Amino acid sequence: ETGVTQTPRHLVMGMTNKKSLKCEQHLGHNAMYWYKQSAKKPLELMFVYNFKEQTENNSVPSRFSPECPNSSHLFLHLHTLQPEDSALYLCASSATGQYQETQYFGPGTRLLVL
Amino acid sequence: QKEVEQNSGPLSVPEGAIASLNCTYSDRVSQSFFWYRQYSGKSPELIMSIYSNGDKEDGRFTAQLNKASQYVSLLIRDSQPSDSATYLCAVKSRGGTSYGKLTFGQGTILTVHP
Repeated sequence: ETGVTQTPRHLVMGMTNKKSLKCEQHLGHNAMYWYKQSAKKPLELMFVYNFKEQTENNSVPSRFSPECPNSSHLFLHLHTLQPEDSALYLCASSATGQYQETQYFGPGTRLLVL
Repeated sequence: QKEVEQNSGPLSVPEGAIASLNCTYSDRVSQSFFWYRQYSGKSPELIMSIYSNGDKEDGRFTAQLNKASQYVSLLIRDSQPSDSATYLCAVKSRGGTSYGKLTFGQGTILTVHP
């Protein structure tokens, strides 16, 4: 498989559930990102990992918990979410996280919180 | 003031015409500029990146950057119905470290009608 993959592609969960989103990149990159895309709002950066270290947390509520065990994998653990957290969650990667680099996006996980 | 502003559209152009998409940004130290295309229900895919003032051409696409005016645009020549999508402008600032934060505009919806 090539590029950036995400699983699951669709997820429906209740507010009391715990679930995890998975991202894997096959590009040999060292920086990975989580973004949230809500209807009629710009893409919002959530977290950045460079060489497995978190370098950005964009004031994200603690009910979202990222994990980056290695440079190829990124997880987003979800618990006690709210209906307003329903959105498309996108993972991206870039070579080293430098400012001039292109970020490549995965297909996204469409999340619905009931 | 929004960090990255785009006219949300929709912008409607006839097939074969030139589509002009515009973007302004507020951070004067922004260094890297990207245009992504996002089809409905899909993830963003990179079309062009530009770092220096002037024009950059790639096939039917031309990106134009004017750092003094804090303005970046995308021209699509010979527009095709398959170009119908949301076009996202993204700006990356170097900030105080080597790592930059990518900030997206809201996106412009482009419709190319036969």
